[in-house]
Amino acid sequence: ETGVTQTPRHLVMGMTNKKSLKCEQHLGHNAMYWYKQSAKKPLELMFVYSLEERVENNSVPSRFSPECPNSSHLFLHLHTLQPEDSALYLCASSQDLGAGVAGELFFGEGSRLTVL
Amino acid sequence: AQKITQTQPGMFVQEKEAVTLDCTYDTSDQSYGLFWYKQPSSGEMIFLIYQGSYDEQNATEGRYSLNFQKARKSANLVISASQLGDSAMYFCAMRGSYSGGGADGLTFGKGTHLIIQP
Repeated sequence: ETGVTQTPRHLVMGMTNKKSLKCEQHLGHNAMYWYKQSAKKPLELMFVYSLEERVENNSVPSRFSPECPNSSHLFLHLHTLQPEDSALYLCASSQDLGAGVAGELFFGEGSRLTVL
Repeated sequence: AQKITQTQPGMFVQEKEAVTLDCTYDTSDQSYGLFWYKQPSSGEMIFLIYQGSYDEQNATEGRYSLNFQKARKSANLVISASQLGDSAMYFCAMRGSYSGGGADGLTFGKGTHLIIQP
């Protein structure tokens, strides 16, 4: 497999369920990201992991819990979500090149989440 | 704080015409990068082109070019000879400078929905 792979592609869950989104990157990158994409809103950065350590949280509600066990895998654990959490959740990876040097992000196809 | 503004929610363009998608940005960083992504209906974000703030020449990648006007804080995407497959959402994004040891992600605009008509 190549690139960034996200599973599941589609997920429907009730507000009391617990589920997880999975992301795997095969690019040898050292940084991974979760973004939320809601209708008619810009992509919102949720979490950043660089070298497997969380760098940025952006005040995301605690019902979203990320996990990065190694540089190739990233999870987003979901529990007691609200209907407004329904969105496309995009995972991305990049090579963190050091101070002031930007690397482009490579995205997966996203996980479409619907909360009933 | 960084901000990206895309003022065109949607555009209709005839096939084979050139297209310019507008993007303006706001940042206090001296060093930054500007990106354009394409998102077809499948959902995947596809990287198109990158422009560094210190790059003197406009970036080009095949049919894509970036019209970078630093003084105006503008980074418009130009698609030459548009094709039906270019129909998609297009997002402008930026990344500011950061200290080593921490990635910081991208700040995105709201996007432009481009529809190429035959």
